[in-house]
Amino acid sequence: AQTVTQSQPEMSVQEAETVTLSCTYDTSESDYYLFWYKQPPSRQMILVIRQEAYKQQNATENRFSVNFQKAAKSFSLKISDSQLGDAAMYFCAYRTPYSGGGADGLTFGKGTHLIIQP
Amino acid sequence: GAGVSQSPSNKVTEKGKDVELRCDPISGHTALYWYRQSLGQGLEFLIYFQGNSAPDKSGLPSDRFSAERTGGSVSTLTIQRTQQEDSAVYLCASSLGGKTISGNTIYFGEGSWLTVV
Repeated sequence: AQTVTQSQPEMSVQEAETVTLSCTYDTSESDYYLFWYKQPPSRQMILVIRQEAYKQQNATENRFSVNFQKAAKSFSLKISDSQLGDAAMYFCAYRTPYSGGGADGLTFGKGTHLIIQP
Repeated sequence: GAGVSQSPSNKVTEKGKDVELRCDPISGHTALYWYRQSLGQGLEFLIYFQGNSAPDKSGLPSDRFSAERTGGSVSTLTIQRTQQEDSAVYLCASSLGGKTISGNTIYFGEGSWLTVV
């Protein structure tokens, strides 16, 4: 089964600074998708950004960008110009297009708690 | 609706009572997922529905938990004889289906907070 590892249980950054959250995964597949979700205190999981494994170009969504290193199986999230509203739990997720949606079909990391210091 | 809708938002129930949690996925989405998240924990997969296929129930923690999906749309998660350890946020999600990244992107509802007292 695939595994997703987020090695930073908690990160803290000053408002307006840049922070990078790490995510590594283990897979033998070559075709897969990677996602970052944000979970604020309201508990809703919100999609932040997504990446297709066969695309070398790193995905970008406004202040959010990823550094996707396929060979290293690394998928880090960079948040630029951090804002107070970015404070949340961030989950990295992996799935392949060929599996179902069950326990093996979609794998989440344990999350990183991001604190924004005003 | 535009997003995944869950009800109730919050539910407090007495130990031993049955509860039903409802999920209305994004229109047109063929796949539907239920997850559980205890306080301070990650996501625990419960059950997965895909179209008319038999659901993947491999994550259901006990036979007190069951779920159905009627007409390929709305789903209900039922917990019988609730226990205090069932207290958690129950998250429903849906995806379009297919082999593209759009089809495989999962969108979550706001969750149902369940407290068993």
